[in-house]
Amino acid sequence: GESVGLHLPTLSVQEGDNSIINCAYSNSASDYFIWYKQESGKGPQFIIDIRSNMDKRQGQRVTVLLNKTVKHLSLQIAATQPGDSAVYFCAENPHSGNTPLVFGKGTRLSVIA
Amino acid sequence: EPEVTQTPSHQVTQMGQEVILRCVPISNHLYFYWYRQILGQKVEFLVSFYNNEISEKSEIFDDQFSVERPDGSNFTLKIRSTKLEDSAMYFCASSVSGGGNEQFFGPGTRLTVL
Repeated sequence: GESVGLHLPTLSVQEGDNSIINCAYSNSASDYFIWYKQESGKGPQFIIDIRSNMDKRQGQRVTVLLNKTVKHLSLQIAATQPGDSAVYFCAENPHSGNTPLVFGKGTRLSVIA
Repeated sequence: EPEVTQTPSHQVTQMGQEVILRCVPISNHLYFYWYRQILGQKVEFLVSFYNNEISEKSEIFDDQFSVERPDGSNFTLKIRSTKLEDSAMYFCASSVSGGGNEQFFGPGTRLTVL
């Protein structure tokens, strides 16, 4: 079935190190993927997205990599800061058109100062 | 920067009561969504709305739920007879166009059913 999941529920990194958060998806027809950041008590906040015709996209301090062969998505955060501490969700759009996002379970990133 | 707003931030209600959760999507967006998140779990889709009608809904969105766009700015989620298991964070989201585009989320309404 359609599902998006995360390999690790928690990740702790030292301030200044790079973070890598992974996500596996099951629907090979998914054509759009988003990473969201959710801080405690707040709604998901868009970080970066990528379409299936790309394998890499870079933003400010963040990079998303898409490997369609193994249906794997990752979020890399460079020089992780305490403000990056949050739960990170990947989400996929399984079909084209006006369809909802399917979210993964989330990875909690803790930055150690 | 435009943002999705939701009211109230926290709603406490008795089981069996009706609640209405309100959202103001971003003004030029055409697609609207409700999601929920039970504490500690992932975000789950409830319903999507476009052109004044429901375009898609999940199995969670049963007859106790309804959505409405009563005017040009508000988008509401009504739960007719709340159950204990309806306790969750409810997020409204909107997007300029449909699938394959960023959905902007509101801060959520925490619903507590006693």
